[in-house]
Amino acid sequence: QSALTQPASVSGSPGQSITISCTGTSSDVGHNSHVSWYQHHPDKAPKLLIYEVSNRPSGVSNRFSGSKSANTASLTISGLQAEDEADYFCSSRSSSGPLWVFGGGTKLTVL
Amino acid sequence: EVQLVQSGAEVKKPGESLRISCYGSGYNFNNFWVNWLRQKPGTGLEWMGYINPSDSYTKYSPSFQGHVTFSVDKSITTAYLQWSSLKVSDSAMYYCATSSGAEIDYWGQGALVNVSS
Repeated sequence: QSALTQPASVSGSPGQSITISCTGTSSDVGHNSHVSWYQHHPDKAPKLLIYEVSNRPSGVSNRFSGSKSANTASLTISGLQAEDEADYFCSSRSSSGPLWVFGGGTKLTVL
Repeated sequence: EVQLVQSGAEVKKPGESLRISCYGSGYNFNNFWVNWLRQKPGTGLEWMGYINPSDSYTKYSPSFQGHVTFSVDKSITTAYLQWSSLKVSDSAMYYCATSSGAEIDYWGQGALVNVSS
């Protein structure tokens, strides 16, 4: 069981938009702005997509966007492309216990 | 380009010791914490703790305190995760990852550890 809750899977067709949610508590997601999203292709290193809820590192496509409301953060991918098919997971700084907590990951299938 | 390259998969028996490595390149190794994370099949990532390469200060998550040890060799920009006595329950994928502030940014590719009698 993961500290943050994500849907196990989502799917969409090329060109469509999808949103992945990440639900935590008032001790983590709801407590601060240090929520991040990562993309993980099998057998590769996870890649930072979004930091501080909605900021993109240099080089990350603007098709990826993040937001947060109360204890739930969201990642939206617009204009889905075949190469977006991967696992996506969220993380948050936590005010209790471990410094960071993570979601269980969401498998995105591009139909 | 920042890269973290981890050592390969390991197969060990309960009670054996193990050290896995994480080689950093493309950045100032001293300036970023090296975090270690565990992922067991079907579960989310767990943050194990971090080491500050500049002074070897370590912080362990309570769940891992006393069972693992972090270390670094700054001369070869490599961080290590070590067990003195493995348990079957240590079987997992282990990742190293840097953090420059409040976010974890760059990750290694992971190292699979399989502990079985």
